[in-house]
Amino acid sequence: GDSVTQTEGQVALSEEDFLTIHCNYSASGYPTLFWYVQYPGEGPQLLFRASRDKEKGSSRGFEATYDKGTTSFHLRKASVQESDSAVYYCALSDSFASALTFGSGTKVIPCLP
Amino acid sequence: ETAVFQTPNYHVTQVGNEVSFNCKQTLGHDTMYWYKQDSKKLLKIMFSYNNKQLIVNETVPRRFSPQSSDKAHLNLRIKSVEPEDSAVYLCATGAGNTLYFGEGSRLIVV
Repeated sequence: GDSVTQTEGQVALSEEDFLTIHCNYSASGYPTLFWYVQYPGEGPQLLFRASRDKEKGSSRGFEATYDKGTTSFHLRKASVQESDSAVYYCALSDSFASALTFGSGTKVIPCLP
Repeated sequence: ETAVFQTPNYHVTQVGNEVSFNCKQTLGHDTMYWYKQDSKKLLKIMFSYNNKQLIVNETVPRRFSPQSSDKAHLNLRIKSVEPEDSAVYLCATGAGNTLYFGEGSRLIVV
């Protein structure tokens, strides 16, 4: 079945550092890809999505580019801030009843430089 | 702006008890979902419900059952809870491919 593999566990980095969270997918067909963010005490919310090869999604300084060749959708941000502390999920649209298949989640922990 | 409402936010109960979580959405979407989020933050689809058609993830134990009165409500009932049911249960609604989640209902089974 469809699956998503992303950077495991947590990423601790200094504020203003460059952030990358890797995401690779395995799917039949041509899925839509998503990044969701979950802040403490809240449900996941959509950061952005991309539906076709080479399409770039972006929001709040985060961006990712759909790459069908490498089956990837890596999340990047040039300068991470304390307010970015959250769990980030890569996801793809699934054949299961239009639900989404999520990666394992990556917790981002910005620290004072 | 919250448009998917879950109650209760938190529930502690003993093994063998029955538990229900409620979910209401005000977005007018046709499809609602329940996801389970475990202690490692893994998100797994449990159910999808659309126009009285229920689709069940086959890995979900039979003690779980969704209940819907109309397309704005999809509740989750657990008939006899087990310790491994301790988790956060997230209700979501969908339009196109995008999901909108509630804040979750945390279940602790002691």
